[in-house]
Amino acid sequence: AQKVTQAQTEISVVEKEDVTLDCVYETRDTTYYLFWYKQPPSGELVFLIRRNSFDEQNEISGRYSWNFQKSTSSFNFTITASQVVDSAVYFCALSGNKETSGSRLTFGEGTQLTVNP
Amino acid sequence: DAGITQSPRHKVTETGTPVTLRCHQTENHRYMYWYRQDPGHGLRLIHYSYGVKDTDKGEVSDGYSVSRSKTEDFLLTLESATSSQTSVYFCAIANYRGPNEKLFFGSGTQLSVL
Repeated sequence: AQKVTQAQTEISVVEKEDVTLDCVYETRDTTYYLFWYKQPPSGELVFLIRRNSFDEQNEISGRYSWNFQKSTSSFNFTITASQVVDSAVYFCALSGNKETSGSRLTFGEGTQLTVNP
Repeated sequence: DAGITQSPRHKVTETGTPVTLRCHQTENHRYMYWYRQDPGHGLRLIHYSYGVKDTDKGEVSDGYSVSRSKTEDFLLTLESATSSQTSVYFCAIANYRGPNEKLFFGSGTQLSVL
């Protein structure tokens, strides 16, 4: 069975602060994929990143960065110099081996980020 | 943006009535999924499909059935709606052909069962 835990239900920061959203996962698959999605107040789900289990390189995209550590089963997401437009619910998700699980995507419960001006 | 259309976008129905939600894609993607989103639970997988007439259950499949008679359409049916099925329902599609494969989501259907 797969499980994703996002322990932070809500985070509130002031604009320009850095903020890290935690994600811890459990899986028995040796090959798996990790995702982050953003859900702004409008409700749509926006893809942010996909990371393969065999690629532990951290990734940076503008103000966003992701820290993948297999040793601690974590895939944390950091927003640098946060902006009001970053206010949203952020979901971490895990997909197991495509051949064995048909690429089911298991989501965490989400972290509500509020960035105040 | 991926071509996914969910219909209806909003529906109010009464307990005990059947309800069908439709997901239509124009991307010719193989995999299609139905999720429900509820406060405190994130998104939970109801059913998914890995091809025409090939479907499987997710973690919260009780009370739901699905059908996929052609690539572009994936239908979710609540045979006899209950209040616990009030939720936002999302359809997603994927193809998994490349290293940057991802799921594309529809805009969601808000279902209220009174």
